[in-house]
Amino acid sequence: EIVLTQSPGTLSLSPGERATLSCRASQSVSNSYLAWYQQKPGQTPRLLIYGASSRATGIPDRFSGSGSGTDFTLTISRLEPEDFAIYYCQQRTNWPPERAFGQGTKLEIK
Amino acid sequence: QLQLQESGSGLVKPSQTLSLTCTLSGGSISHGGYSWAWIRQSPGKGLEWLGSITHTGNTYYKSSLKSRVSISVDWSENQFSLTVTSVTGADTAVYYCAREGVVENWFDPWGPGISVTVSS
Repeated sequence: EIVLTQSPGTLSLSPGERATLSCRASQSVSNSYLAWYQQKPGQTPRLLIYGASSRATGIPDRFSGSGSGTDFTLTISRLEPEDFAIYYCQQRTNWPPERAFGQGTKLEIK
Repeated sequence: QLQLQESGSGLVKPSQTLSLTCTLSGGSISHGGYSWAWIRQSPGKGLEWLGSITHTGNTYYKSSLKSRVSISVDWSENQFSLTVTSVTGADTAVYYCAREGVVENWFDPWGPGISVTVSS
């Protein structure tokens, strides 16, 4: 079973700054199978990135994903007030056929 | 535009069975490019994938919950369902249904979620 570990647990930044969120897998993950989600309080998670680096429909280009193997990164180039939320990475394995989420990184306003 | 909506009992007694249904509108559950998933979020906690069902009815579950979780599909009603047996307080959560990509890994869209409390 692959375990995803996100860091930091909480990231305190100001609007306009750059955010770098990390997701580390316990074993190598196919790039096709790494996704990122944003969840705001009281809201449903929203798909941001799939395939490690492809933006989902309607996602602003200040969001970008990168990485391969066991280390993946979500970068928000210039934080907007609406970007402060919790971010989850997620992966899947074909055998055993499981999916898993990281524990989340809370991005809060400094 | 595809929309999903969860329904079912919001209160379940310990040791009983939790049953939820996800109904699709604006799309077909038999579409070959997708699977259909259940995901939950315990209060104040992260997201936990429970299981998925393919467009052909094949199922796969989180290994630690496999003995208690079951997902089925009703093609005629364009919906899929979740049952969790022998529930405890640890099963209290918001339960989401979601469409899952087959070729690439993603969950989108998600239903709004349904809050389920396990309590006597």
